[in-house]
Amino acid sequence: QQQVKQSPQSLIVQKGGISIINCAYENTAFDYFPWYQQFPGKGPALLIAIRPDVSEKKEGRFTISFNKSAKQFSLHIMDSQPGDSATYFCAASSPQGDSSYKLIFGSGTRLLVRP
Amino acid sequence: EPEVTQTPSHQVTQMGQEVILRCVPISNHLYFYWYRQILGQKVEFLVSFYNNEISEKSEIFDDQFSVERPDGSNFTLKIRSTKLEDSAMYFCASSPLGGWGTEAFFGQGTRLTVV
Repeated sequence: QQQVKQSPQSLIVQKGGISIINCAYENTAFDYFPWYQQFPGKGPALLIAIRPDVSEKKEGRFTISFNKSAKQFSLHIMDSQPGDSATYFCAASSPQGDSSYKLIFGSGTRLLVRP
Repeated sequence: EPEVTQTPSHQVTQMGQEVILRCVPISNHLYFYWYRQILGQKVEFLVSFYNNEISEKSEIFDDQFSVERPDGSNFTLKIRSTKLEDSAMYFCASSPLGGWGTEAFFGQGTRLTVV
């Protein structure tokens, strides 16, 4: 029930195309759904996050769509660029007693954007 | 820009040896975390630390693991007797506050290789 399932494992998109990565969860106590971007040799970096009372959040070319009833959320990268080539992780979290947030990560999607 | 710093970047150790992975979280951050990522797999939560004590730990974080904040700036992860399966990238993270939407900032990681 603590798992977050992510697909696809890898994705190849042409420059200018739309990249779509999907995640699903089971634990209804999750209330924070961030997406992290990781470049080789670097730690994950927060890209965008959403709370479950919002169905969509957009920041620049990045959009999270959230379907609470289906317990699914997805990341859309519009006008994908070669510089977006990285591994993307969805995550979910719920508050602990001391307000710390333990992140449960998906398995990651390796995105390659071809020029 | 403030960042989480981890040392060393790569540590090779013999099975059964003790290792200490070091992290300097962003100053004025209050919540500290260790995660690990086995090569090609997802990022997994190990432990969270707040107010000088462990908030939560995962099943991975058994008696061989310990964390410490020995002074006001460092946050360490000790593995007492390393096993081959401890080989992974270990990420330290910190956040300024608890609560929803507080971003966890990750370090660049320490690659631990147990031989």
